[in-house]
Amino acid sequence: EAGVVQSPRYKIIEKKQPVAFWCNPISGHNTLYWYRQNLGQGPELLIRYENEEAVDDSQLPKDRFSAERLKGVDSTLKIQPAELGDSAVYLCASSGQVNTEAFFGQGTRLTVV
Amino acid sequence: EDQVTQSPEALRLQEGESSSLNCSYTVSGLRGLFWYRQDPGKGPEFLFTLYSAGEEKEKERLKATLTKKESFLHITAPKPEDSATYLCAVQEGNQGGSEKLVFGKGTKLTVNP
Repeated sequence: EAGVVQSPRYKIIEKKQPVAFWCNPISGHNTLYWYRQNLGQGPELLIRYENEEAVDDSQLPKDRFSAERLKGVDSTLKIQPAELGDSAVYLCASSGQVNTEAFFGQGTRLTVV
Repeated sequence: EDQVTQSPEALRLQEGESSSLNCSYTVSGLRGLFWYRQDPGKGPEFLFTLYSAGEEKEKERLKATLTKKESFLHITAPKPEDSATYLCAVQEGNQGGSEKLVFGKGTKLTVNP
């Protein structure tokens, strides 16, 4: 069974440029999460989807970050414009039901220069 | 105030030297406590879920236990391939229904041959 797939794996952009990340969750998983992980820290939730609905986006910096999950499957996370402080690893995860384990993708390492 | 605190931040062991990692948490109602392993450049890999005090789970050289205030990850006779960062996360249950995982900063384990 394929796991959570993210792309790209690495991205280097200049500040003020836009960037987008893509995630394909495990087949059949209704819950999808986007996390951000800074160096030496644990992942921090940005947004959680139940099917197409964003049910927790309280930690998403809405002035520059946006996300969508069309048709309740794939999801994209966008940053526009990027700032130096956005450099981090962006992780996507999915789970079959709330309260069960989340499975993570390999992440996208973003470097803003 | 951090909801999840892991200790120690880093741990060096000799191959075969057993030890334990600690995860203390403060949440109003615990729905689940999760342990993950993370290798450099990869996403977190699920290990265990614990739901109630007194529960224990084992996988190869790893054993996770849970009390009302903390969880331990016991590593018996570790091998160099056990070297990784071990992350603890809690899922809080409350009236609001937030289902996000709150992660600790992790314990970086190094096992020397």
